[in-house]
Amino acid sequence: AQSVAQPEDQVNVAEGNPLTVKCTYSVSGNPYLFWYVQYPNRGLQFLLKYITGDNLVKGSYGFEAEFNKSQTSFHLKKPSALVSDSALYFCAVRPPSSGSARQLTFGSGTQLTVLP
Amino acid sequence: DTGVSQDPRHKITKRGQNVTFRCDPISEHNRLYWYRQTLGQGPEFLTYFQNEAQLEKSRLLSDRFSAERPKGSFSTLEIQRTEQGDSAMYLCASSAGTVLGPQHFGDGTRLSIL
Repeated sequence: AQSVAQPEDQVNVAEGNPLTVKCTYSVSGNPYLFWYVQYPNRGLQFLLKYITGDNLVKGSYGFEAEFNKSQTSFHLKKPSALVSDSALYFCAVRPPSSGSARQLTFGSGTQLTVLP
Repeated sequence: DTGVSQDPRHKITKRGQNVTFRCDPISEHNRLYWYRQTLGQGPEFLTYFQNEAQLEKSRLLSDRFSAERPKGSFSTLEIQRTEQGDSAMYLCASSAGTVLGPQHFGDGTRLSIL
């Protein structure tokens, strides 16, 4: 069975500084990996995905993520944080085979706070 | 607005009552998912439809839970004889019929059991 770990419950960063939100995964085979963001009392918004190809994936709102197969990691990054980036971030994994489950397995989330 | 729509946004009910939630997916999406999210946790998968066929169900989906997607468009999730532990946010998501299509989520229905 697949699993996702987000080792930090909370990340604080000053506005304008780079940010990193960490994610590691466990899945058989090559994974499909996703990042979502959730604002209070809202659903999850898709940020970016890794399916195959270039290990650096660019997504919405200036976010990017780096896939590292040897470390089984998929960390979310942004070069310059904004106060409006403050939200709850979820990493998710889906098994690669078309014959297997299509549901996403989510991490427990990381609360990002960008300080002005 | 062409996003995933869920109704109601909030539901408060007494323990033992039945509740039903509705999800309207993005119109061209043939795949629909239900998840449950409790405070401080990521969403947990409940069930998945491809068109009108319910193809997967989680062990979290006890016999008190039932989901339907009768015409392959909107879906309903019913909980019978609600219990305190059912209090959660119930999220619906939909995706296109491609391997690479991401799931798009609605804003959820927050269920509170008194």
